[in-house]
Amino acid sequence: GDSVTQMEGPVTLSEEAFLTINCTYTATGYPSLFWYVQYPGEGLQLLLKATKADDKGSNKGFEATYRKETTSFHLEKGSVQVSDSAVYFCALVRGSGSRLTFGEGTQLTVNP
Amino acid sequence: NAGVTQTPKFQVLKTGQSMTLQCAQDMNHEYMSWYRQDPGMGLRLIHYSVGAGITDQGEVPNGYNVSRSTTEDFPLRLLSAAPSQTSVYFCASSNTGNTEAFFGQGTRLTVV
Repeated sequence: GDSVTQMEGPVTLSEEAFLTINCTYTATGYPSLFWYVQYPGEGLQLLLKATKADDKGSNKGFEATYRKETTSFHLEKGSVQVSDSAVYFCALVRGSGSRLTFGEGTQLTVNP
Repeated sequence: NAGVTQTPKFQVLKTGQSMTLQCAQDMNHEYMSWYRQDPGMGLRLIHYSVGAGITDQGEVPNGYNVSRSTTEDFPLRLLSAAPSQTSVYFCASSNTGNTEAFFGQGTRLTVV
């Protein structure tokens, strides 16, 4: 079945540091890939997405590129802020469906 | 501008009690789903619905029932609560197809 694997957390960075959170997936066909973010005490919200190979999703300074050859969708940001502290989830949807498969989540803490 | 509304936000149950978690959306989305979030396990799909009158099981359906009598509402019932059902529960909705899912703020359930 489908699966998503994220790098183990938690991740702690200083403000303005570079962020990478690794995500790899296993799925048949051509899934769409997503990053969701969960701020403390809130539900998940979409951060960015990519629907086909080599697409780059971007939002709020975050980027991720859909790499079919390595089945990866790593999240990056050049300079993190304290306000980026949250839990980040990588997820996929296969084909034209709506059923999301999530990774384990990565807790990010950014210190001033 | 309500989006997805879940009630209650917090609940404590005794083992064996039953309760219903409410979920309502005002975006006319066809697809609705329930997830549970446990530490280190990401979000796991409990049940989902592709439209009024249609429901199906997800990854972890045991101990939970759902129904979808209207497009807007998708309640989750715990028939006989067990400590293993202590978790944070999220309801989500989306249009069918690999589009953005919108999440409620979650219900933190403790079963003692």
